[in-house]
Amino acid sequence: AQRVTQPEKLLSVFKGAPVELKCNYSYSGSPELFWYVQYSRQRLQLLLRHISRESIKGFTADLNKGETSFHLKKPFAQEEDSAMYYCALSGGAGAGGTSYGKLTFGQGTILTVHP
Amino acid sequence: GAGVSQTPSNKVTEKGKYVELRCDPISGHTALYWYRQSLGQGPEFLIYFQGTGAADDSGLPNDRFFAVRPEGSVSTLKIQRTERGDSAVYLCASSLPSGRKYNEQFFGPGTRLTVL
Repeated sequence: AQRVTQPEKLLSVFKGAPVELKCNYSYSGSPELFWYVQYSRQRLQLLLRHISRESIKGFTADLNKGETSFHLKKPFAQEEDSAMYYCALSGGAGAGGTSYGKLTFGQGTILTVHP
Repeated sequence: GAGVSQTPSNKVTEKGKYVELRCDPISGHTALYWYRQSLGQGPEFLIYFQGTGAADDSGLPNDRFFAVRPEGSVSTLKIQRTERGDSAVYLCASSLPSGRKYNEQFFGPGTRLTVL
């Protein structure tokens, strides 16, 4: 079974401070990990995925298979980063054993960046 | 172009009633997903369509829940004999075909279902 755990429901930091949102997962195969974000009154959207190895809006996330973690980091938080963040894992075998992108989400972390 | 749309945005119904929730995916997206998000939780997978057929309905909680996608575009999630525990936001997402690699899922705004 696949599972995603985000241990912090709430995280508050001040503008300019570093921020780290934690995510741990369990999965028997080779996972694809993602971070999704939902800003106030907007729909859920993809922030970044581990295979892209890119920085989006200053955020990065490294997949650590040894620790089964995929923490999201940003060195200097901005007020506009305040949002709900979900860590998600892609996996699931369809007919023939192909993976089709079914997402398993964590419970989410509400990030508040204070001025 | 237009993103994923869902109607209605809000639905209030009484326990025991039947409801239908509609999803219009992005044009050309053959993969369509339904998720349910209860208060304080992340979205939970319900069902996945590839084209007209349900490739995986393992997330449907019981036989009161059913979904169709007869022409491979619009999908309808149907809930019979609603219960208060069905109250949640129902999210729809669509993507390009998901085979051996993940294609980004684009989410709709959701339908907030309240069962009184």
